[in-house]
Amino acid sequence: QSALTQPRSVSGSPGQSVTISCTGTSSDVGGYNYVSWYQQHPGKAPKLMIYDVSKRPSGVPDRFSGSKSGNTASLTISGLQAEDEADYYCCSYAGSYTFEWVFGGGTKLTVL
Amino acid sequence: EVQLVQSGAEVKKPGESLKISCKGSGYSFTSYWIGWVRQMPGKGLEWMGIIYPGDSDTRYSPSFQGQVTISADKSISTAYLQWSSLKASDTAMYYCARRGVGGNNWFDPWGQGTLVTVSS
Repeated sequence: QSALTQPRSVSGSPGQSVTISCTGTSSDVGGYNYVSWYQQHPGKAPKLMIYDVSKRPSGVPDRFSGSKSGNTASLTISGLQAEDEADYYCCSYAGSYTFEWVFGGGTKLTVL
Repeated sequence: EVQLVQSGAEVKKPGESLKISCKGSGYSFTSYWIGWVRQMPGKGLEWMGIIYPGDSDTRYSPSFQGQVTISADKSISTAYLQWSSLKASDTAMYYCARRGVGGNNWFDPWGQGTLVTVSS
């Protein structure tokens, strides 16, 4: 499985919205509604932000939302705040036969 | 509180063996899959493999099959990731993470990470 494709970086000003894309194939993103998104601050462990394409775990602000169309999933962060500056990774289940997952290459979000 | 606590940083020489650990607490350890994820310096996350501590069913990413061994000791609620002969390219941060409840396809929580440095 090849890594999912994400933009290397995105940026936005406080209060604005940004969207991070995550493109895979019909064998992963397009084949299952099992896309999750993780936020990673420098020197910290990843944190689950979105699961099953668009569901938010308890405690994650509703400024974070997810969606999917075909082989591309997206994470949208609205009302940007300084603390949102981090790396974001998408992840997709990639096979009931091989039983594996695949991550995206990561996107650095800069809050200007 | 559900928690995964990993063993401390390691510095090893090429060719040496290593086993790092991930101890679960606050939940039924035998009922949830535990996955391992590699993050090389300045790079992204890579899924390595996963184990079900209840019966030690283990699956590997093709990229890591034969390169590492994943195991678990359910009596002490601990999962392991081990190498028989380290290479410099194994230098990375390694995270364990619990698969979602009911076998769902996300990972939460994550351990704090174990930094492995392999250098002569």
